[in-house]
Amino acid sequence: EPEVTQTPSHQVTQMGQEVILRCVPISNHLYFYWYRQILGQKVEFLVSFYNNEISEKSEIFDDQFSVERPDGSNFTLKIRSTKLEDSAMYFCASSIDRVSGYTFGSGTRLTVV
Amino acid sequence: RKEVEQDPGPFNVPEGATVAFNCTYSNSASQSFFWYRQDCRKEPKLLMSVYSSGNEDGRFTAQLNRASQYISLLIRDSKLSDSATYLCAFQSGNQFYFGTGTSLTVIP
Repeated sequence: EPEVTQTPSHQVTQMGQEVILRCVPISNHLYFYWYRQILGQKVEFLVSFYNNEISEKSEIFDDQFSVERPDGSNFTLKIRSTKLEDSAMYFCASSIDRVSGYTFGSGTRLTVV
Repeated sequence: RKEVEQDPGPFNVPEGATVAFNCTYSNSASQSFFWYRQDCRKEPKLLMSVYSSGNEDGRFTAQLNRASQYISLLIRDSKLSDSATYLCAFQSGNQFYFGTGTSLTVIP
């Protein structure tokens, strides 16, 4: 079964450092997403990406965040200057169209210290 | 008003029991609805889509009530392996909104 892969599985970083979270969506999917889940809380939308541009972003996705699809397979989330409150599980997801269910990656657990 | 509301539970049921969860949503323009299952510290996994006519997949039945703006998930003959958190999700625009999840524990 095709899957979304994310690396690294766990990243520890110091406050103020930049991090890049990487994702390889399913190859024939066209829509890509980043979500995050703070421990014990709900899954929160960050950004959706289609046709090489952001299609929607949430209030969480401020100027510290950026996404990129640098080649035909990778989809990255960059946090420029991490804060303690950025500590969460970050999930990448992809879908073949806008109305189908997502396939999530296994997540990157980001810990900011 | 929250976009989506779910009873967090926990629901503790004996093996073999039938259990049902509801999830209400606020955006009447939502087009697509889903139930996901999330195991502890894992990613959400798509359990099933929810169609207007209702749909069934083995022991699982999902229903949509557009008039009252809720979706439901019924699990029959619960198994120990059904223990997880069940998230409802609906699509609005270019994103999905997820509920906080309902925790289910099936007890031997």
